[in-house]
Parts: sequence; structure tokens; C-alpha cells
Amino acid sequence: DQQVKQNSPSLSVQEGRISILNCDYTNSMFDYFLWYKKYPAEGPTFLISISSIKDKNEDGRFTVFLNKSAKHLSLHIVPSQPGDSAVYFCAASNFGNEKLTFGTGTRLTIIP
Amino acid sequence: KAGVTQTPRYLIKTRGQQVTLSCSPISGHRSVSWYQQTPGQGLQFLFEYFSETQRNKGNFPGRFSGRQFSNSRSEMNVSTLELGDSALYLCASSLYGAGNTIYFGEGSWLTVV
Repeated sequence: DQQVKQNSPSLSVQEGRISILNCDYTNSMFDYFLWYKKYPAEGPTFLISISSIKDKNEDGRFTVFLNKSAKHLSLHIVPSQPGDSAVYFCAASNFGNEKLTFGTGTRLTIIP
Repeated sequence: KAGVTQTPRYLIKTRGQQVTLSCSPISGHRSVSWYQQTPGQGLQFLFEYFSETQRNKGNFPGRFSGRQFSNSRSEMNVSTLELGDSALYLCASSLYGAGNTIYFGEGSWLTVV
């Protein structure tokens, strides 16, 4: 049962434009959400997180939006840069649950 | 400060053998969790150790086991290797626990032939 879903396996965006990566979840108990970025042959790197008491969190070029009623979160990258080309994973947890549940990832390619 | 360190980075084993992977967490982090990543799959949770105790376990067979030492370093072991065990094994550490923000190492690439 895939509780965290990233329905787009891949996404291509022009350099300088906005990249929007989407993630859906089914478990209404999830209250903490994260995005990780992964380059080939490296471990995932933490990007940004949001708790369910907020609907938006920003960190530089990265903004995460949370829509609890739709059980949907998105990561916006503005402006997109070539170094942003990577696989992005969303993850979720119930703060009392001792693990993160990950989606299957979206491969983002930034076109120069 | 130093990140999460995993050894070895790459290894090739034969079906039926066993393997031990090692992980040193970020200094001060007492939680260590392990994940498996295979092509086309997300990151599948194996288990978490906190202060030398296994707190949570994923849906993997008993061939997958782990332990944590008093210095928070952790090892995972896979016995009777199968071809399907070929994967990237990722270790992550956290200050508060595996359900919070976790920080990954670079992973150990295991190939079973």
C-alpha cells in the first residue's frame, strides 16, 4: 500500500522557470512532511520540511505547500538552475511514528 | 561537523553469502535508521535503532538484521543473500528519531551475483 505517491516519474523544466513537484498521501495521520534531493551515487539530501500546522514553508528558492484537505503537497523551485537536476523524494511521518514513508521519486531535469 | 559515514561504499557478494554494512552517525545523534533503495522503488524502511534498542522494523524478512553500539554506530547484516537483495543501502541518523528529519549517508551499493 503506497501511502505516499509521486505520480510523475519525471519532469523537464527550462532553466530560470519554476519547477513544481507534486506529492499525494493517503494516511490522514501524517503530520510532518519533507522533501529530499538525490544525485546519482549519493545519499538523499534534506531540502525542506513542513508540519501540518502550517500550509507553507520557504527556504531560499524552495517553497513547500501543504493542502491538508486534499492530502497534497508540492515543492516549488524558483528559479530553476541546472544544479537542481536530480531525483526528488517526498516523505511523510506521523510525528509519533518512528519512521519516514517515502514516495518513489520524481526525476527533475533542468534544460539550459 | 562530519556527516553520516557508511562503509563499504561498493561491494559484490555471491548468492548465499552474508554481508555486514557499517554506519557512523552524525556526532550526537542517537537514532540510526536503515533504508533499501532498488530501481523503480522508493526508499523502503528496514529498521531504526535508538540508544542500542531496535524501535521500529519494516516489512523485510528475518535475513535482514541490525544492531547499534554504545557509541551509536550501527551495523546491518544480510544473511543468505539473494539476487533481489542487490540494492543501495542507506543509513540515516537523527537527533530526535527516525520520524523526524533524518540525514543520510552516501550509501553502500551491494551487488549480489
